Amino acid sequence: SQTIHQWPATLVQPVGSPLSLECTVEGTSNPNLYWYRQAAGRGLQLLFYSVGIGQISSEVPQNLSASRPQDRQFILSSKKLLLSDSGFYLCAWSRQNTGELFFGEGSRLTVL
Amino acid sequence: KNEVEQSPQNLTAQEGEFITINCSYSVGISALHWLQQHPGGGIVSLFMLSSGKKKHGRLIATINIQEKHSSLHITASHPRDSAVYICAADNNDMRFGAGTRLTVKP
Repeated sequence: SQTIHQWPATLVQPVGSPLSLECTVEGTSNPNLYWYRQAAGRGLQLLFYSVGIGQISSEVPQNLSASRPQDRQFILSSKKLLLSDSGFYLCAWSRQNTGELFFGEGSRLTVL
Repeated sequence: KNEVEQSPQNLTAQEGEFITINCSYSVGISALHWLQQHPGGGIVSLFMLSSGKKKHGRLIATINIQEKHSSLHITASHPRDSAVYICAADNNDMRFGAGTRLTVKP
């Protein structure tokens, strides 16, 4: 069966510090991978998606970046966090041909 | 105007009641997703549908492509159904509704 893990689950970081959130998928190959953010009291927003290794599409301009160094690994990064980066970050995957989404547990980031 | 509108925003029901959450969208879609977000934040995909109706346990999802409208129904609601329900229009670029916060009281 397929599983998805992301970590850390909770993170408190000072403004200007770097960020790295990691997501891995098991039990499938060549998945589409996604990073979403949910700001407090707001809906989900797609940040990045990837259809293959090294292929990243960005949906919104921001100080975040994403990388896919391996087929089932997706990393969300920032060199310098802003207060507005606080939120709940969700990694998700889908099969290339079906589109059904499977979400990770989420990572709650608080920037102080 | 948002491309995906959900109603109601908040819904409180008594255990056992039949519940309906509505979703209207203005974009062309390949599929419509219903998601459930638990209080801790975790999200589970409930349905992905492109036509007709799907049923899973006490949950039923319907979609009318011509009217660009989908509904999520919960029969015999239970307190454990309390969560935020989110619909998402999938046109290779997901557009999410703001969510409906459901509270089912015992």
